Amino acid sequence: GQQLNQSPQSMFIQEGEDVSMNCTSSSIFNTWLWYKQDPGEGPVLLIALYKAGELTSNGRLTAQFGITRKDSFLNISASIPSDVGIYFCAGQLSGGGGGADGLTFGKGTHLIIQP
Amino acid sequence: DGGITQSPKYLFRKEGQNVTLSCEQNLNHDAMYWYRQDPGQGLRLIYYSQIVNDFQKGDIAEGYSVSREKKESFPLTVTSAQKNPTAFYLCASKRVLNSYEQYFGPGTRLTVT
Repeated sequence: GQQLNQSPQSMFIQEGEDVSMNCTSSSIFNTWLWYKQDPGEGPVLLIALYKAGELTSNGRLTAQFGITRKDSFLNISASIPSDVGIYFCAGQLSGGGGGADGLTFGKGTHLIIQP
Repeated sequence: DGGITQSPKYLFRKEGQNVTLSCEQNLNHDAMYWYRQDPGQGLRLIYYSQIVNDFQKGDIAEGYSVSREKKESFPLTVTSAQKNPTAFYLCASKRVLNSYEQYFGPGTRLTVT
């Protein structure tokens, strides 16, 4: 299937620091979604992006739909302990794929906050 | 409260046995999905259903079967033909065909020994 390259794979940061992660692909996407997964739980939708260039915020989280439609970025400002978890990007391919109207997922970024 | 429920949370089976994982949603969503999650591999699509009595194979359907007899329910059977069944299984649903926002259940961790 199509590949989404999500980076970094893991991040070790201090509480209060800002965090940046991204997803890139060689394919064009119509939609980008960002999810957070706590250990042993299902992913929770954080932000959905539908237009190239769109910048959307949800509290301390900000995500952008890249102009080329091949990438997306997620930033977390002033990290706190409850931000720990795995962050997944997911995209809906232009032209279908990922189960007709389904999603293609990145492999996740593990965010670890050091005290 | 509206949401997606999966049961049980943890499931243990002996090799060679079939096992069925439950997924129920009361969100009135049309489409439902099953994913498998293994460490370092993200989410991989097993099966999906866009409407009652219809379902399609995803990327890794071999060794799995599903049914969609009711809009609210999309059970997944892990058969003895699945070579590596131990994994975390996630069910998701989506409102309508032109919406891409999938919402996930809490997951079932299946361990086969």
